[in-house]
Amino acid sequence: QVQLVESGGGVVQPGRSLRLSCAASGFTFSSFGMHWVRQTPGKGLEWVAVIWYDGSKKYYADSVEGRFTISRDNSKNTLFLQMNSLRAEDTAVYYCARGSGSSSLDSWGQGTLVTVSS
Amino acid sequence: DIQMTQSPSSLSASVGDRVTITCRASQSISSYLNWYQQKPGKAPKLLMYAASRLQSGVPSRFSGSGSETDFTLTISSLQPEDFATYYCQQSYNTLFTFGQGTKLDIK
Repeated sequence: QVQLVESGGGVVQPGRSLRLSCAASGFTFSSFGMHWVRQTPGKGLEWVAVIWYDGSKKYYADSVEGRFTISRDNSKNTLFLQMNSLRAEDTAVYYCARGSGSSSLDSWGQGTLVTVSS
Repeated sequence: DIQMTQSPSSLSASVGDRVTITCRASQSISSYLNWYQQKPGKAPKLLMYAASRLQSGVPSRFSGSGSETDFTLTISSLQPEDFATYYCQQSYNTLFTFGQGTKLDIK
């Protein structure tokens, strides 16, 4: 079955960087667009970024544009999110999710917590 | 950006009740509207896609309707496992956006 496992979260100081990974299995990773979605503790969901199945296109939420970079390694079935110049407001649980052909997010990982604090 | 507004923000209901949650888009999104269910400490789960299509494995007591700017998610007869938070999400624009969520709890 489809499995997505995020890793790389932790506590980081404001202004520093962190790289999240999402290991995919159970499906042909190279055929699907992939997304990152975050959720501030106790709050709602915020879409962060998407990367096309072949990595050819990438789009970002305004709140992270210019600071975050989404990438993928199809040979290793892994999605990444490079987060630079982190701010307190980036504190959240970060989920990776698979984009379906119907333009929905049909499978999600369990999430990894990023805490930005001095 | 397309703004998504859900109502109500919270809702109390009883097992067996019929409940409806509304989602409104700030511009027309055709039928590019999805619904998710999230339980505490868990990842969201896709319930409905394309406004009215039931995701595989989701019980038929869930249904969705609407187009353009106004959408609804209906649960025909609430079960104990349905108490959760529900989110709508538009996929008309490449930059997805979610509603703020509707928390459904037990009356």
